[in-house]
Amino acid sequence: DTAVSQTPKYLVTQMGNDKSIKCEQNLGHDTMYWYKQDSKKFLKIMFSYNNKELIINETVPNRFSPKSPDKAHLNLHINSLELGDSAVYFCASSQGTSGNLYNEQFFGPGTRLTVL
Amino acid sequence: AQSVTQLGSHVSVSEGALVLLRCNYSSSVPPYLFWYVQYPNQGLQLLLKYTTGATLVKGINGFEAEFKKSETSFHLTKPSAHMSDAAEYFCAVSPPGWGTYKYIFGTGTRLKVLA
Repeated sequence: DTAVSQTPKYLVTQMGNDKSIKCEQNLGHDTMYWYKQDSKKFLKIMFSYNNKELIINETVPNRFSPKSPDKAHLNLHINSLELGDSAVYFCASSQGTSGNLYNEQFFGPGTRLTVL
Repeated sequence: AQSVTQLGSHVSVSEGALVLLRCNYSSSVPPYLFWYVQYPNQGLQLLLKYTTGATLVKGINGFEAEFKKSETSFHLTKPSAHMSDAAEYFCAVSPPGWGTYKYIFGTGTRLKVLA
């Protein structure tokens, strides 16, 4: 009964290719996120969606396009992959519809992307 | 702007010794504060959190942290380290008014436990 799942776990691809990472949560949460963790373990938020609506977009190149077909899914599509995109990408979810309401974020296991 | 500083990217302790991982934040208003743990090749797991109320919070696996507003700190402690505590630890803040929508993470501290 995985709470937040991501596929694939590993992704190795060539520069210039387009790839997608899928994320699904079965917690009934209404907010989902994508984070990038670089080689130095630094974690930075990329996007956040609430009820399928984009609410955070942290100066991410427009080669990255999140897509939320429903509240339980937030996929990440990356066009024209570059060497610098190599990282671990984490999906997360939380329950929160109010700016002042706190609820913890639950993280997926991560997708390690390697661009050659 | 909000920021989080974790002093010491690597900390080594002997098994049974006290664990102290430091976290300081910068914010004009106290944010919500969190500690997450990441075991090798896994996602992040919440250890504990502070939102309001009691400033000493207890988490899982025997960890606790104390929010000190005057010091803008939220240090993580555990009285006696266990080998299984070896992992990467991240402090995070969520700015007031953003609620759960935005975490700002520190750069992480890798804890090594020596036998």
